[in-house]
Amino acid sequence: AQKVTQAQTEISVVEKEDVTLDCVYETRDTTYYLFWYKQPPSGELVFLIRRNSFDEQNEISGRYSWNFQKSTSSFNFTITASQVVDSAVYFCALSEIWSGGSYIPTFGRGTSLIVHP
Amino acid sequence: DVKVTQSSRYLVKRTGEKVFLECVQDMDHENMFWYRQDPGLGLRLIYFSYDVKMKEKGDIPEGYSVSREKKERFSLILESASTNQTSMYLCASSFSPPLAGGNTGELFFGEGSRLTVL
Repeated sequence: AQKVTQAQTEISVVEKEDVTLDCVYETRDTTYYLFWYKQPPSGELVFLIRRNSFDEQNEISGRYSWNFQKSTSSFNFTITASQVVDSAVYFCALSEIWSGGSYIPTFGRGTSLIVHP
Repeated sequence: DVKVTQSSRYLVKRTGEKVFLECVQDMDHENMFWYRQDPGLGLRLIYFSYDVKMKEKGDIPEGYSVSREKKERFSLILESASTNQTSMYLCASSFSPPLAGGNTGELFFGEGSRLTVL
């Protein structure tokens, strides 16, 4: 079973539409971290946000917002008024503690977002 | 500006060849990672290292080995390349816990190395 499930393989929207990318995770740890990364067509993954398991506050950064709900093990990402530059593959990741004390991330399979002009 | 540099963006090798993929980071990070990225499969962890000369297997270590002789450098080795190792390889680094203050625990990625094995 996947630890991080991004059920949407590809989403296609028209510019200015709102879009939500879903992420469902699975863990037995009480302390863990959740991340979102963006991979634009150029290829390099870029960090967007981190949430720890004790902080369920939603967060907004400009047109981006994140909704973390432990009750449903979900960490969803919403882009408001999407733009062509938002076209990318978005990855959700779960970091759990491994031996040596490091947190090691497991990634979902990614959601490809295509924003049409 | 923080940087993770992978030695080659594109490589073409023949089946059976030994392949070295090099990765260098300039952020004094303890952790370094090698992932492979394939369409529809996302990023899968091959190996990671949390200190010099220390390594741990990830989810798909078969057919690969790694070397970390210096803190800033983490190498991925394909002893005998096979066609099913054709993929995009991503190197990343991060700080270790505690994740507090300015340390978010995020991974910093290189641009990737696209390997084709013929």
